Amino acid sequence: GENVEQHPSTLSVQEGDSAVIKCTYSDSASNYFPWYKQELGKRPQLIIDIRSNVGEKKDQRIAVTLNKTAKHFSLHITETQPEDSAVYFCADVTGGATNKLIFGTGTLLAVQP
Amino acid sequence: NAGVTQTPKFQVLKTGQSMTLQCAQDMNHNSMYWYRQDPGMGLRLIYYSASEGTTDKGEVPNGYNVSRLNKREFSLRLESAAPSQTSVYFCASSALPGAEGSYEQYFGPGTRLTVT
Repeated sequence: GENVEQHPSTLSVQEGDSAVIKCTYSDSASNYFPWYKQELGKRPQLIIDIRSNVGEKKDQRIAVTLNKTAKHFSLHITETQPEDSAVYFCADVTGGATNKLIFGTGTLLAVQP
Repeated sequence: NAGVTQTPKFQVLKTGQSMTLQCAQDMNHNSMYWYRQDPGMGLRLIYYSASEGTTDKGEVPNGYNVSRLNKREFSLRLESAAPSQTSVYFCASSALPGAEGSYEQYFGPGTRLTVT
């Protein structure tokens, strides 16, 4: 079945630095790639997503890039702030009518002040 | 507009006991999901309901059953709880993808279940 691998599992950066989290997927029919942020003790929430017909999407300090040939996509956070500290999950949706998401195992990002 | 709600927030069960986790959404979404979240394992899909009247197994369905009671409500039942089912359970819902193709899922606050 579809598999999404996410790296690294933990990431520590200094405030103001950039952070990059990478995911690879196995199903070439995948066409939608969201990123969710989960703060400690809270529910996951969508922060950005990208469809397969787009190579990059930006929203203020966060961006997502997609390389369909290599089957990987990445989350980029610039000018990190302490409130960016959370667990980040990538996911994809396999092709077809289903809207079922397959999640990566998560990255714990710690932004050191 | 409460979004997705779940009850209870916390539960402790003894091995072999049964319980039902309740989930409701007020966003008129067609699809609903149940996930479990364990350390280092991410969010794993237990069961989902693409639309009212249908349910399908996800990655880890063993030991669970679900009921899509109506469009708003989707319950998860543990018939005979086991310590391996100790986890945080999240319910989520989503609309059918529109022209923009968003599959955004909205999550409930979660239920922390401990089985002793």
